[in-house]
Amino acid sequence: EIVLTQSPATLSLSPGERATLSCRASQSVATSLAWYQQKPGQAPRLLIYDVSHRATGIPDRFSGSGSGTDFTLTISSLEPEDFAVYYCQQRGDWPLTFGPGTKVDIK
Amino acid sequence: EVQLLESGGGLVQPGGSLRLSCEASGFTFSSYSINWVRQAPGKGLEWVSVIGADGVTTYSADSVKGRFTISRDNSKNTVYLQMNSLRAEDTAVYYCAKSLMTTVTRALDYWGQGTLVTVSS
Repeated sequence: EIVLTQSPATLSLSPGERATLSCRASQSVATSLAWYQQKPGQAPRLLIYDVSHRATGIPDRFSGSGSGTDFTLTISSLEPEDFAVYYCQQRGDWPLTFGPGTKVDIK
Repeated sequence: EVQLLESGGGLVQPGGSLRLSCEASGFTFSSYSINWVRQAPGKGLEWVSVIGADGVTTYSADSVKGRFTISRDNSKNTVYLQMNSLRAEDTAVYYCAKSLMTTVTRALDYWGQGTLVTVSS
């Protein structure tokens, strides 16, 4: 099973600041890496798929990068609605796995 | 508009069974794989199972293999998750989620609102 590690566990930032979230895989997942945002009481929302492709309706302040085992989600300038938990997910192999999440909260 | 609606959750005793349903609309259901993902209270996301568009190909997490069975009825646009031998650690909100692409599952683009399963005596 491919294990995903996310860092930091919590990121405390102010609106307008840049957020950089990391996801590391225990082995290569090629380009099969996605990012999700989840707010309390809501289902996850797909932000990025295949490392760097924004899902439908996702604003361009969200961007993804990386390859192999190291990936990054960047939020260029935090909006109030961006404070949430972010999960990475791989499907380089079965089983599909998620990282433990990074909480972005207001400083 | 794509919609996924889960149902069938509730309170069940350890060792009991429950069947979850996921009714879909707004897309060509028979062309896409459908997944179940669960989230224990206050915890992260755990993928549970997937069924291919053809209803034949399935994969499941080791934690549920031999206890949970996924199936689908393309005539009813519905996916099911039969859960047997339930344990306390199966307590979670269960989401169904649609695969982004028709040919392969690499990301999940639409999710239902979830249904809560509580396993307790």
